[in-house]
Amino acid sequence: DIQMTQSPSSLSASVGDRVTITCQASQDISKYLNWYQQKPGKAPSLLIYDASNLETGVPSRFSGSGSGTDFTFTISSLQPEDVATYYCQQYGTFGPGTTVDIK
Amino acid sequence: DVQLVESGGGLVQPGGSLRLSCAASGFTFSTYWMSWVRQAPGKGLEWVANVKEDGSVTYHSDAVKGRFTISRDNAKNSLYLHMNSLRADDTAVYYCARERPAAACAFEYWGQGTPVTVSS
Repeated sequence: DIQMTQSPSSLSASVGDRVTITCQASQDISKYLNWYQQKPGKAPSLLIYDASNLETGVPSRFSGSGSGTDFTFTISSLQPEDVATYYCQQYGTFGPGTTVDIK
Repeated sequence: DVQLVESGGGLVQPGGSLRLSCAASGFTFSTYWMSWVRQAPGKGLEWVANVKEDGSVTYHSDAVKGRFTISRDNAKNSLYLHMNSLRADDTAVYYCARERPAAACAFEYWGQGTPVTVSS
C-alpha cells in the first residue's frame, strides 16, 4: 500500500505570509495527488486536483506542484479565512494533515 | 446546485448493523463515481469505499472489507453504505462524496456528514 506523509504537522504564520506544505508518497504516483481544506466542524473541500489543477472557484493564492513522490502545496499570501487543516490524498490514502493557524 | 445529504447515522452497539444513505440532487447521479469517506473524532480522513456509475464495480478499504458494502440506486439518486459487525473503531462522521471525472479519485463535492457512534 502507498503511504502518504505530510510536513509539517502544524504551522503558525502571519497574515500575508507564504505558506508551504509538503506531501511525500512512498512510491511514484505520477501526478495523482489532490489537496483538501477542512475547517473545524465542516466537511473537507477540494482545492487542488492532479497535483496542480486549481478547482473551480478556489482562490488563486492556493497552488500545487510536484510529481512522482514529492508534492508541494502553497498559500501565496495567508488570509485569516485559511485557518484550517490541509490534507493531501492519493486514491484511497489521505495524508495525516497539516493544521494551519495565524500567529 | 449539487447537494449530498447523508442520513442514517446514530448510536449502535458493537456487533450491530446500520445503513447509511446519501441523497443526491442537482446533478445526473448515474454518471459519477461516488465514495464514502469517514473521520473519527479528532482524527484525519479515511476513505471507506467507492462505486462505479452503474454500480457494477465497487472497492472497499481493507479496514471495512467483508463488513461494509457500498451500493447505489440510480433510480432514487441514492448512495448507501451497509455496515455490519460494527466495532468501536468504526465510530466516525461518515461523508458521501462525488468523484471528479477524469481526476483520479478527487472528491469534488461532499455532504455534511452523518455521525456513527459504536458503543455499548
